[in-house]
Amino acid sequence: KQEVTQIPAALSVPEGENLVLNCSFTDSAIYNLQWFRQDPGKGLTSLLLIQSSQREQTSGRLNASLDKSSGRSTLYIAASQPGDSATYLCAVRSSNAGNMLTFGGGTRLMVKP
Amino acid sequence: SAVISQKPSRDICQRGTSLTIQCQVDSQVTMMFWYRQQPGQSLTLIATANQGSEATYESGFVIDKFPISRPNLTFSTLTVSNMSPEDSSIYLCSLSRGGTDTQYFGPGTRLTVL
Repeated sequence: KQEVTQIPAALSVPEGENLVLNCSFTDSAIYNLQWFRQDPGKGLTSLLLIQSSQREQTSGRLNASLDKSSGRSTLYIAASQPGDSATYLCAVRSSNAGNMLTFGGGTRLMVKP
Repeated sequence: SAVISQKPSRDICQRGTSLTIQCQVDSQVTMMFWYRQQPGQSLTLIATANQGSEATYESGFVIDKFPISRPNLTFSTLTVSNMSPEDSSIYLCSLSRGGTDTQYFGPGTRLTVL
């Protein structure tokens, strides 16, 4: 059974810092990994999708990497802003689980002005 | 991308009643999903709803408690039946255009059961 873990659970940084969020998964038989953002009480916004054959994806100040063999992904946020404050979730689509998405517990990010 | 809308956006309900949540998408899609997010928790898949067939429920979820309809390729409903305070959660509709494509989520329905 796929298990996804995100570290840290919460993070508070001053504005302007570069930061890294971590996601690990136990079963490397995946199709892809997706990073989401969730604002309090809201739905999920897709940030980046990395296919299993890819090493990284970039969108603006966000860069996500994937090391499938070691079961790890990182989300790098450059020059953080208060508007980046949200919960960040990673989700893995497992080829051994009927294409089901398994979510991590999330990292709650607070960027202080 | 995908445009997904849900109704209601939030509701406060009494114990023992039922609530039906509607999900509308902007174009036809085969696979729709319903997720639950309990307070402070991550997302858990309730069921997969394919048009023209019975919904497939994940372990721990049953049709009597969470009946799902999928009358066409752009619409689905999830009913939370005989509610208790433990059902207080955000319920999210989701879709994926291809089997391994990007997953998109609706804005969620925040349910509070008193």
